[in-house]
Amino acid sequence: AQSVTQPDIHITVSEGASLELRCNYSYGATPYLFWYVQSPGQGLQLLLKYFSGDTLVQGIKGFEAEFKRSQSSFNLRKPSVHWSDAAEYFCAVGNTNAGKSTFGDGTTLTVKP
Amino acid sequence: EPEVTQTPSHQVTQMGQEVILRCVPISNHLYFYWYRQILGQKVEFLVSFYNNEISEKSEIFDDQFSVERPDGSNFTLKIRSTKLEDSAMYFCASTASRYGYTFGSGTRLTVV
Repeated sequence: AQSVTQPDIHITVSEGASLELRCNYSYGATPYLFWYVQSPGQGLQLLLKYFSGDTLVQGIKGFEAEFKRSQSSFNLRKPSVHWSDAAEYFCAVGNTNAGKSTFGDGTTLTVKP
Repeated sequence: EPEVTQTPSHQVTQMGQEVILRCVPISNHLYFYWYRQILGQKVEFLVSFYNNEISEKSEIFDDQFSVERPDGSNFTLKIRSTKLEDSAMYFCASTASRYGYTFGSGTRLTVV
């Protein structure tokens, strides 16, 4: 069964500081991995995805993530956080057959001025 | 940019009533999904739909739930007899490539 762990429930960073949100997954085959962002009261927006190939993937809004098979991780990074990045971030692993995704519990990002 | 549209944005219903949540997926997408998010909890998969039939469903998606694509553009989720624990945000999603969804903004269902 596929599963996702986001170890950090809440992270606070200062505006302009770098950010790393952790994600560990469990999946029997090659995983399909995603990061989504959810602003309060809004839907989920896809930031980036990994299917195969280059293990460092670039996404929207200046985010990137690195797939590390040996660590079963897919951590999200941003070199300089903006106040507008404050939101809930979800990592998800996809089912290769039917496209079902399993989401982690989410990490709430607070950005200090 | 194409969007997935969900209506209504908020629905309040009495326990035991039927509700229909509506979604208009992106027009060239072929795979459709419903997820839900109980307040403060994780996003949970309900059902996936392809080629006019359910391709996978979770244990949450019991006989009280059904999905339909009645007219080639809408994708609906029906809950026949709502319970208090059905109160949640319901998200519709669609994709063309099966991986990496476009989500709608959600319908907040409140059962009283």
